[in-house]
Amino acid sequence: NAGVTQTPKFQVLKTGQSMTLQCAQDMNHEYMSWYRQDPGMGLRLIHYSVGAGITDQGEVPNGYNVSRSTTEDFPLRLLSAAPSQTSVYFCASSYSGRWTEAFFGQGTRLTVV
Amino acid sequence: AQRVTQPEKLLSVFKGAPVELKCNYSYSGSPELFWYVQYSRQRLQLLLRHISRESIKGFTADLNKGETSFHLKKPFAQEEDSAMYYCALKSGETGGSYIPTFGRGTSLIVHP
Repeated sequence: NAGVTQTPKFQVLKTGQSMTLQCAQDMNHEYMSWYRQDPGMGLRLIHYSVGAGITDQGEVPNGYNVSRSTTEDFPLRLLSAAPSQTSVYFCASSYSGRWTEAFFGQGTRLTVV
Repeated sequence: AQRVTQPEKLLSVFKGAPVELKCNYSYSGSPELFWYVQYSRQRLQLLLRHISRESIKGFTADLNKGETSFHLKKPFAQEEDSAMYYCALKSGETGGSYIPTFGRGTSLIVHP
């Protein structure tokens, strides 16, 4: 099994450009989420989804959009990139429930210049 | 709102020394707590969860509800333990679902 796959691994954007970070999982997990990882800030939740067609905002949603049309895919869209969005982005998925383990993608390192 | 605090950004020890990575949480209900680890150039992965009460790679963590803590401990650190460690909490607060909230992480460096 591939687990959680994120593409691309690296990306450089110019301020104002838009792009989509892809995330796919093949474990039939209900839950999927996006985090950003910044030095000294840990992992902060951007958006999450508890099933196909259902999404909600996390702690830092501004400037990002998501959709969940299938169980497998959960893309993250940057609408108009800003230098403050320079970060490492992680996608995670899990089964629903209190004790389930979150499985992570390998991360996307995004630089906005 | 739920919150996870890891007070140390960096913890530096010598091989064979005891290690304690601190984690405190704020949540009024019964939390589900986890430790995740990220080794260099690898993805985050689960290390242990408090419900399991198990030792993984020599690490243990005990939930102390009175002190709202879930510190990660290992009696004798090894060089291969060098990694970033994240404490995580699930509470059902995130829209009624169990999406984990993470602390800011502690970088553990074990010197030879």
